[in-house]
Amino acid sequence: RKEVEQDPGPFNVPEGATVAFNCTYSNSASQSFFWYRQDCRKEPKLLMSVYSSGNEDGRFTAQLNRASQYISLLIRDSKLSDSATYLCVVSVKGGSNYKLTFGKGTLLTVNP
Amino acid sequence: DAGVTQSPTHLIKTRGQQVTLRCSPKSGHDTVSWYQQALGQGPQFIFQYYEEEERQRGNFPDRFSGHQFPNYSSELNVNALLLGDSALYLCASSWDRGSGGSYNSPLHFGNGTRLTVT
Repeated sequence: RKEVEQDPGPFNVPEGATVAFNCTYSNSASQSFFWYRQDCRKEPKLLMSVYSSGNEDGRFTAQLNRASQYISLLIRDSKLSDSATYLCVVSVKGGSNYKLTFGKGTLLTVNP
Repeated sequence: DAGVTQSPTHLIKTRGQQVTLRCSPKSGHDTVSWYQQALGQGPQFIFQYYEEEERQRGNFPDRFSGHQFPNYSSELNVNALLLGDSALYLCASSWDRGSGGSYNSPLHFGNGTRLTVT
């Protein structure tokens, strides 16, 4: 089983739609969780951290379920500028240190 | 405030050659991580440097080595290049804050170096 697995995508949605991304992780000792976005041929950029109580940033809502080892990202009222690849990222312990492990990413295209 | 800078931006090498990629972390950051991103894949962790030492390593062969300098900048070296090493190499910095490697601080990425091996 992969350390971090995401919906394979791609997702094509019209402007204004609500879209949800799902992610599961295999290591129950994972400590921190993030969503990054990556535009075509650009570097990944932090979109938001994911907290146990769930958190919201404008149109974006992230949820974490530690018992199910599941993370989600919801985008409401999607915009053309939301088109990008969304990467689920988990900190995984290796020895005494942690490293960030990325999922494969899910490509989102928002159409006019 | 400069972000993470990487050089060169593009590089073309031949199989069997060696390559060195460079990274300067964001101001105030002390930890540098290197990632390899093949086309259509997420970034794969290569290794991480903190206090000039390799602290954590991913599943990459010994052909991949690195170094961190006292000013926190870092180099990634790849020997005996293979066609499969063609990828975008990303450097990311973060601030460890002496926490012993706990990852609560997110990564800031550079623009990457696109390596093509022919």
